[in-house]
Formats: sequence, structure tokens, C-alpha cells
Amino acid sequence: QKEVEQNSGPLSVPEGAIASLNCTYSDRGSQSFFWYRQYSGKSPELIMFIYSNGDKEDGRFTAQLNKASQYVSLLIRDSQPSDSATYLCAATTVGFKTIFGAGTRLFVKA
Amino acid sequence: DAGVIQSPRHEVTEMGQEVTLRCKPISGHDYLFWYRQTMMRGLELLIYFNNNVPIDDSGMPEDRFSAKMPNASFSTLKIQPSEPRDSAVYFCASRKDRVGWNTEAFFGQGTRLTVV
Repeated sequence: QKEVEQNSGPLSVPEGAIASLNCTYSDRGSQSFFWYRQYSGKSPELIMFIYSNGDKEDGRFTAQLNKASQYVSLLIRDSQPSDSATYLCAATTVGFKTIFGAGTRLFVKA
Repeated sequence: DAGVIQSPRHEVTEMGQEVTLRCKPISGHDYLFWYRQTMMRGLELLIYFNNNVPIDDSGMPEDRFSAKMPNASFSTLKIQPSEPRDSAVYFCASRKDRVGWNTEAFFGQGTRLTVV
């Protein structure tokens, strides 16, 4: 079992819709969780981090964490074509290493 | 700060040759990570350092891979001998060590390695 798992997609949503991206992790000792966005041919860049159970909102993005279920999600409201990218979920585990999921490809159709 | 700097950006080499990838982390960052990204396997952690000391190299695929961090501002990832299946994008990332866990890793631009 991979330490951080994501559905590879692709996930396709129409412009203006809500995109929902999901991630599960296996190490219960993980404390911090991150969502990165990666455009084709580019390096990953941080969108949000979360470390407390519940929701955290930043503009059109909302990260959700449920430690009991070992589940992290990212909601993108009012999706735009410019949001089309691969979204990587990451967890900082015991030992302070940062492990990434394989990523979910998102396509936002104009 | 210029961010994490990797070199070269692109490398094409023949099978059997030695390849050295280089990374300069962000000044003041305590952790340095080497990742490999492929379509099939995603972003895999190869090895990471804390204060120049290798902490976990369990992700290094074979003995052909080695990494060093001789000082706080420089790290190398070496593949000797290289094979076509090593073709991938190799990312270096650095992170500052703070109390608490919510510190993100900053990535370099990556090195696209092609072994023919």
C-alpha cells in the first residue's frame, strides 16, 4: 500500500463547477498535509496546507482533513480553465519526510 | 532568495554513462529532498537529508543511485551506470525546520533526464 493515495483521474468538470479532489494516507503519525498544483512541464507549487481536523478555506480553495478516517480533500469552487493541472496531495510523516501521492489530473472545460 | 536551483535542466546521456544531478537548496532550509517523477509511478521520494545528514534513503531504487550533501548549500544525486529506465524528471526540494509540522517543501525546476 502506498503511503499517500489519490485517484489518478482524469477528473473533468465544467467551468464554474466545484471540483472535488480526494486523498487518503496510511501513516496515522502524519501530522501535516499539503495540496500542490503542478502544470505540465513545471514543478509543483503549494496551494494549501492543513493540519487540524475540519475545513480550511483560502479563496476558491477549501481543504478538509479527517484524521480518524485518514482522509484529506481539496475543493475548488468556481473552477476555471486555468485550474486545469495535476493536483498532488502530500503528507509529512513521522521522521519529517514529505511523501506525495501520484496526483489527480483535473480538466476544467470552458 | 532565488529558490531551489537545479542543474542541468535537461540531460541526455547514453546507457552506461555516469550522470550527476546538482541542487542548491534555499538558504537556511534544513531539509533537502530528492524526488523522481514518472507517469507510471508519480512523485517518488528517493532520499532526504536533515542538516546535511542522510536520514532515509529507502527510496533509492538501486545501488547505482547515490546522493551526497557535503554542505548546507549543495547536494548531488549520482547514477552510475545509468539505464534507460532511469529516464524521468528529478526534483530537488528544500524545507525549513520549524517547531510544528506545517512547513511546506519548495521545489526546484527539475532535471529532465533521458537515457538512450
